[in-house]
Amino acid sequence: DGGITQSPKYLFRKEGQNVTLSCEQNLNHDAMYWYRQDPGQGLRLIYYSQIVNDFQKGDIAEGYSVSREKKESFPLTVTSAQKNPTAFYLCASSTTGDIQYFGAGTRLSVL
Amino acid sequence: RKEVEQDPGPFNVPEGATVAFNCTYSNSASQSFFWYRQDCRKEPKLLMSVYSSGNEDGRFTAQLNRASQYISLLIRDSKLSDSATYLCVVLGTGRRALTFGSGTRLQVQP
Repeated sequence: DGGITQSPKYLFRKEGQNVTLSCEQNLNHDAMYWYRQDPGQGLRLIYYSQIVNDFQKGDIAEGYSVSREKKESFPLTVTSAQKNPTAFYLCASSTTGDIQYFGAGTRLSVL
Repeated sequence: RKEVEQDPGPFNVPEGATVAFNCTYSNSASQSFFWYRQDCRKEPKLLMSVYSSGNEDGRFTAQLNRASQYISLLIRDSKLSDSATYLCVVLGTGRRALTFGSGTRLQVQP
């Protein structure tokens, strides 16, 4: 089955802890994206990558880090510097940067 | 001013009604436009792309007015299953990433 897989579905972070959200795609898409969604709001871009070994900051990159070592994978680390990490995190991928397809998301909460 | 603005709703309509959503965008150089649908606590899914000439897919019609920087979505003969949040999405220039509106919530009632 082709698609985008995000894991875990739910994640809890303790104070001062870094956590990593996984995003894997087998669609052979070049571009991958991370968004954050807060209740009642639209999606905000955290980081994106158009090609392996390259990525750019989005609108709200502070407190987050990413890597793109493989075409299929684009993990997001929420660092302890992110003071308000509770949100719904969505990973997406696309071929041309136009239509994006989303994973099912990870809900992150703070303990 | 937000890059993409939508009326948040909610729009409460009876089954069978026709409902229209509007969206404005601020970047006149924007290239591509989409409507996504998002169900509660789920990921957004592409509903349709929006073309200058307007396009229709079954009960759904999307239109783009570049001069007014305005996008619309019309849903005819609303079904209970149409209840969701509809996100207006714009692809800008340069960074090739989408900008999302906050969404318009639709509740179709029996």
